Amino acid sequence: DTAVSQTPKYLVTQMGNDKSIKCEQNLGHDTMYWYKQDSKKFLKIMFSYNNKELIINETVPNRFSPKSPDKAHLNLHINSLELGDSAVYFCASSQGPVGPGDGYTFGSGTRLTVV
Amino acid sequence: AQSVTQPDIHITVSEGASLELRCNYSYGATPYLFWYVQSPGQGLQLLLKYFSGDTLVQGIKGFEAEFKRSQSSFNLRKPSVHWSDAAEYFCAASGSARQLTFGSGTQLTVLP
Repeated sequence: DTAVSQTPKYLVTQMGNDKSIKCEQNLGHDTMYWYKQDSKKFLKIMFSYNNKELIINETVPNRFSPKSPDKAHLNLHINSLELGDSAVYFCASSQGPVGPGDGYTFGSGTRLTVV
Repeated sequence: AQSVTQPDIHITVSEGASLELRCNYSYGATPYLFWYVQSPGQGLQLLLKYFSGDTLVQGIKGFEAEFKRSQSSFNLRKPSVHWSDAAEYFCAASGSARQLTFGSGTQLTVLP
């Protein structure tokens, strides 16, 4: 069983399109995250949800909207995609919001390419 | 501002040689500290973590790390590197902000 699963693994789309990336965790964790890894491998947090409540919302364009239907799922919707959105997006989960506890468990990433 | 610095962008070692990857942090108090490894096309895997107590922590795949408060460092070591260790290594820290901040990563190349 995959602990944190993301779909799709690869996503190629044209500028201006709207796309979604889905994430699910079966670890029973309370907190989920979205990270963006740029072409230089730098990882930056975008959002964090704890039990469906948004707790971290870094400075990202409002074209990015996270949605958490329940604590096991955190999806990322991106409107009006731009070339600069091309990156690898990682979903992660952890035990709770107060420090990462045992560390984060990461999904395998979604490589988004905007053409 | 809280930050994690990995001074070495790329390190090359020969198989069987020892390895040390450097990590420095800047936090108001001692944060939780982590090392992750990312193989090509893969997600991040936790190698080891430090919360408190013994400053030498053991992790998976034969890695260890030493916390040095006086140097604000948490360096990763391995006595004998294997070709399969070639990957990107990330140091990370978490403090009161409740989020994990990553260093910029160190790319490890292993020569046969």
